[in-house]
Amino acid sequence: EAGVAQSPRYKIIEKRQSVAFWCNPISGHATLYWYQQILGQGPKLLIQFQNNGVVDDSQLPKDRFSAERLKGVDSTLKIQPAKLEDSAVYLCASSLARLAPDTQYFGPGTRLTVL
Amino acid sequence: AQSVTQLGSHVSVSEGALVLLRCNYSSSVPPYLFWYVQYPNQGLQLLLKYTTGATLVKGINGFEAEFKKSETSFHLTKPSAHMSDAAEYFCAVSHGSSASKIIFGSGTRLSIRP
Repeated sequence: EAGVAQSPRYKIIEKRQSVAFWCNPISGHATLYWYQQILGQGPKLLIQFQNNGVVDDSQLPKDRFSAERLKGVDSTLKIQPAKLEDSAVYLCASSLARLAPDTQYFGPGTRLTVL
Repeated sequence: AQSVTQLGSHVSVSEGALVLLRCNYSSSVPPYLFWYVQYPNQGLQLLLKYTTGATLVKGINGFEAEFKKSETSFHLTKPSAHMSDAAEYFCAVSHGSSASKIIFGSGTRLSIRP
């Protein structure tokens, strides 16, 4: 089966610019996650969707970050405006259900550099 | 609150030697524990997970980990290292009421010497 797809793989922008990332989860996976992985650290959950509803966005900086999962399949994560500290790899993951502890499958990530 | 501590940000072993990556967790309720591997420029891949039952968990690529409640540890081992094992390894924890919310450690980079 096809894995989690993400695009773009790399993005370089200047601070205060906007950027968007796209994720296509594994077919049939109801739960979708966005993580931020700063260099030298483990991934940190930004937002979790169950179908097209938000389950947890407690660590999402809502003043600049937004995410949506229309139709409960693909998802986009947007940063507007970007700051230097947003430089990181943004990982998307999906799992079949929200039940515990279901295996999460990760995409290759988008590496964002903010200059 | 849950947390994970990985001892050693970088571990280097010789090919064929024992691999031991250390992980200690903090959780006020029975935890679920995971080890993930990340190869360069790739996403994370699940190596193994502990939920309930047998405390010795076997995973892919010859890795295994043992849940020791008394030591709050979940160390990852492999008897004989292979060059292809070079990667970043992450220990992670979650628990029953919000088991899908995984807290990751900071990672250990494993290098293999020829």
